[in-house]
Order: sequence, then structure tokens, then C-alpha cells
Amino acid sequence: DIQMTQSPSSLSASVGDRVTITCRASQGISTYLSWYQQKPGKAPKLLIYAASSLQSGVPSRFSGSGSGTDFTLTISSLQPEDFVTYYCQQSYSDPITFGQGTRLEIK
Amino acid sequence: EVQLVESGGGLVQPGGSLRLSCEASGFTFSAFNMHWVRQAPGKGLQCVSYISSRNSATHYADSVRGRFTISRDNAKNALYLQMNSLRAEDTAVYYCARGEGYGGNSYWFDSWGQGTLVTVS
Repeated sequence: DIQMTQSPSSLSASVGDRVTITCRASQGISTYLSWYQQKPGKAPKLLIYAASSLQSGVPSRFSGSGSGTDFTLTISSLQPEDFVTYYCQQSYSDPITFGQGTRLEIK
Repeated sequence: EVQLVESGGGLVQPGGSLRLSCEASGFTFSAFNMHWVRQAPGKGLQCVSYISSRNSATHYADSVRGRFTISRDNAKNALYLQMNSLRAEDTAVYYCARGEGYGGNSYWFDSWGQGTLVTVS
């Protein structure tokens, strides 16, 4: 199975900050990488697919980049509703696997 | 509007069985691969099983293979997960999710249900 490792596991930031979350795959996955946002008690929501494509309806402050083994999710200017948990997911090979999550906290 | 609504969760003793359902609406259900993803309390996300749109081919995580069975009824726009021989470690919220991508493969999950809680104790 392909292991996905996110860093950091938690991150403190302020409204308006620019933040970057990193996801590393245990082997090359091309651009078969997606990012999800999960609010407490809710289902995950797709933000980014194919490493850098913005899902319809997602604010443009979210962006993704990377290929191979190293990927990033960037939020350009944090809004209050962004302080939740983020997951990366690889779909290069079965089983599809997720990172352990990054919790974004208000400083 | 795409909607996925899960049901069937609950409290069950170890060794027991449950059948989860996911009712789909707002899209052509038969055209999409469908997935079950679970999340143990306070933990991350794990893909449990999926079923393809084309030939209903199925795939299972190692941890559930031989105990869980995924199926679909395209006439009813419904996805199912029959869970047998349940263990404490199966305790989780179970989500159904629509797979999106190309070439008949799911590469991302663009719609999710609200989840149904399964507690094995």
C-alpha cells in the first residue's frame, strides 16, 4: 500500500495568514492526488483533484501543486471557516489511501 | 443536486451483522463507481470497499475482505454494504462516496453522504 504522510499534523495560524500543508507519498503517484477539507461532525469535502485542479465551488484561495511524491495545499489568506482538518488522498493504486490529516488551529 | 443518504448504522455486538444502505439521487447512479469510506472516532479516513459502474467489479480493504460485501441496485439508485462478523475495530462512521475520474476509474470522491455510525460493542 502507498503511505501518505502529511506535515505538519497540526498548525496554528491567524486569519489572513498564508499557510501550506505538505503531503508526501511513499512512492511516485504522478498527479493522482486529491485534497479534502473536513469540518467537525461533517463529511469530507473535495477541494483539489489531480494535484492542482480546483473543484467547482471551492474558493480560489485554495490551491494545490506537486507531482511524483511531494505535494502541497496552500491557503492564500485564511478565513475563520478554514480552521478545520485537511486530508490528502492518493488514487494512483489500490487501495486508495489518505494521509493522517492536518488540523489547522487559530493562533 | 447530488445527494447521498446513508442508513442502517447502529449498535451491534461483536460477531454480529449490519447492512448499510446509501440512497442516491440527483445524478445517473449507474454511471458512477461507488465507494464506502469509514472513519473511526477521532481517526483518519479509510477506504473500505468500492464497486464499479461498468461490471459491478468489487474491491475490499484487507481488513474487511471476507467479512463485508458491497453491492448496488441501479434500478433503485442504491448502494449497500453487508457487514458480517463485526469486530470492535469496525466501529466508525461509514460514508458512501461517489467516485469521479476517467477511463472507468475513480480518482477522487466528489460527493459524500452524511455518514452513518456503526458501533461494535
